[in-house]
Amino acid sequence: AQSVTQLGSHVSVSEGALVLLRCNYSSSVPPYLFWYVQYPNQGLQLLLKYTTGATLVKGINGFEAEFKKSETSFHLTKPSAHMSDAAEYFCAVSLRNTGGFKTIFGAGTRLFVKA
Amino acid sequence: GAGVSQSPSNKVTEKGKDVELRCDPISGHTALYWYRQSLGQGLEFLIYFQGNSAPDKSGLPSDRFSAERTGGSVSTLTIQRTQQEDSAVYLCASSLGLVGSGGGEQFFGPGTRLTVL
Repeated sequence: AQSVTQLGSHVSVSEGALVLLRCNYSSSVPPYLFWYVQYPNQGLQLLLKYTTGATLVKGINGFEAEFKKSETSFHLTKPSAHMSDAAEYFCAVSLRNTGGFKTIFGAGTRLFVKA
Repeated sequence: GAGVSQSPSNKVTEKGKDVELRCDPISGHTALYWYRQSLGQGLEFLIYFQGNSAPDKSGLPSDRFSAERTGGSVSTLTIQRTQQEDSAVYLCASSLGLVGSGGGEQFFGPGTRLTVL
């Protein structure tokens, strides 16, 4: 069965510091991988995704993530945090099945950015 | 419209009443999902539609919850005899499903905030 684990329900960084949000998954077949972001009082929006091809994917607002099959990880990074990055981030795994795609979301990591 | 829409945006009801939540997916999206997000919690999967059928209803928390989708488009989530623990934000998402190469990328609506008094 597939699952998603996000390490740390809360992460706090200083403005300008590196952002690292961890995501590990378990899947019997190569999955599709996503990061979604939810800004305060807003809906979820796609930040970036890995489907096929290059394992380092770039998303909006300077975020990127690397698919590491050997480590079953898809950690999200940004070199320099900005106050506007404060939000909740969800990692998701999607597998193709006969009915469509089954997607499992992680529990989420809330990012706090300190001035 | 260009995105997923949900109505109402807010719903306050009394314990024991029935409520209906509506979701209008992006035109052409064959897959539709319902999730529940309680305060400070992650996303709880409720049900998934491919077309008008629901291959996965495993997330519905009780038989008070039901959902339908008609015409491969609009979906309604119904909660009967609401309880206070049903209070949450109910999110709807749609995707291309098996069509396209998006890998099941989901597009989310703004949600319906349900408060049961």
